[in-house]
Amino acid sequence: AQSVTQLGSHVSVSEGALVLLRCNYSSSVPPYLFWYVQYPNQGLQLLLKYTTGATLVKGINGFEAEFKKSETSFHLTKPSAHMSDAAEYFCAVSGNQAGTALIFGKGTTLSVSS
Amino acid sequence: NAGVTQTPKFQVLKTGQSMTLQCAQDMNHEYMSWYRQDPGMGLRLIHYSVGAGITDQGEVPNGYNVSRSTTEDFPLRLLSAAPSQTSVYFCASSLYAGVTDTQYFGPGTRLTVL
Repeated sequence: AQSVTQLGSHVSVSEGALVLLRCNYSSSVPPYLFWYVQYPNQGLQLLLKYTTGATLVKGINGFEAEFKKSETSFHLTKPSAHMSDAAEYFCAVSGNQAGTALIFGKGTTLSVSS
Repeated sequence: NAGVTQTPKFQVLKTGQSMTLQCAQDMNHEYMSWYRQDPGMGLRLIHYSVGAGITDQGEVPNGYNVSRSTTEDFPLRLLSAAPSQTSVYFCASSLYAGVTDTQYFGPGTRLTVL
């Protein structure tokens, strides 16, 4: 069975600092991995996803994530935080069976201070 | 395209009442699903549908019913509301039920059961 662990329920950074949000997964099959972002009082939107191929995945708003099979990780990074990045971020994994929905981590709230 | 729409945005119920949360999408997506979001719990799957006339249970289906009579609509019914069902409910859809398909989320319904 698939599962996702997000390390740190709350991360605080200063504007302009590096953003690093950690995600580790457990999967008995090759995983498909996603990062979603939720702005206050809104639904979730896709930041990026890893399916196959290049292990460094670039997403929207300057975010990227690297799939590391040996570490079972898919950490999300952004070189320079902006105030507008303040949101909740969810890592999710999907299995290899059609119809299988996403399994989400518990989320990490990112705060950005000026 | 309106994307995924949900109504109502807010709802307060008394214990034992029933209600239907509406979800519609205009993207001709085959796959639709319902999640609930609780603090510190991430998103958990309630029910999903891989096409009109086909539904299945997710991780937390008890107390909820769904049906899928059209491709566009996927209502979620609470049969007899309980305080434990106080949550934010998200509907999501994707083009197919493929494991790499991007899920598109609605804005959510915030439900309080007294």
